[in-house]
Amino acid sequence: GDSVTQTEGLVTLTEGLPVMLNCTYQSTYSPFLFWYVQHLNEAPKLLLKSFTDNKRPEHQGFHATLHKSSSSFHLQKSSAQLSDSALYYCALRASSSFSKLVFGQGTSLSVVP
Amino acid sequence: ETAVFQTPNYHVTQVGNEVSFNCKQTLGHDTMYWYKQDSKKLLKIMFSYNNKQLIVNETVPRRFSPQSSDKAHLNLRIKSVEPEDSAVYLCASSYDWGNYAEQFFGPGTRLTVL
Repeated sequence: GDSVTQTEGLVTLTEGLPVMLNCTYQSTYSPFLFWYVQHLNEAPKLLLKSFTDNKRPEHQGFHATLHKSSSSFHLQKSSAQLSDSALYYCALRASSSFSKLVFGQGTSLSVVP
Repeated sequence: ETAVFQTPNYHVTQVGNEVSFNCKQTLGHDTMYWYKQDSKKLLKIMFSYNNKQLIVNETVPRRFSPQSSDKAHLNLRIKSVEPEDSAVYLCASSYDWGNYAEQFFGPGTRLTVL
């Protein structure tokens, strides 16, 4: 079945340092990958989604590249901000299963001064 | 304002009781979803409806039943709650059920079962 694995648990970073949250996946079919972000006591919101070509999606300074060879869609940002502190989910939608999103376990990012 | 709205925000009940949660979206979307977010923040799909028709029904206990009166509303009823049902229930919607359709989430209903 389809599955997503993320960097475990809590990642704590100092403001200004680069961010990298890992996401790897398993899927029988060509999947579409997404990153969702959930700030404390808020609803999850879409941050990025993969493209079918080699374009690299970017939003709010975050970017991610889909690497089919390594089954990865890592989330990166060059410089962490305090407001980036949130729970980040990597999610997969297999092309064979319309409408169903499979989420990773989530990575909590804490950015400190 | 266009968004996904959920009521109630919180609900505390006892084992064996019946509860109902409401979800309404004003985005004009055709597809709606229910997710469960447990205490470890694991987020799992429960049901998905497209234009009032059930299209995804994950393996959830029979005491859970979704109800859709029109494509803008998707409610969730739990017939006899169990302690493991304590979680945040998130409703979401998307334009359609295609691969690229962004899902918009509501703020969630936090259920506590005593």
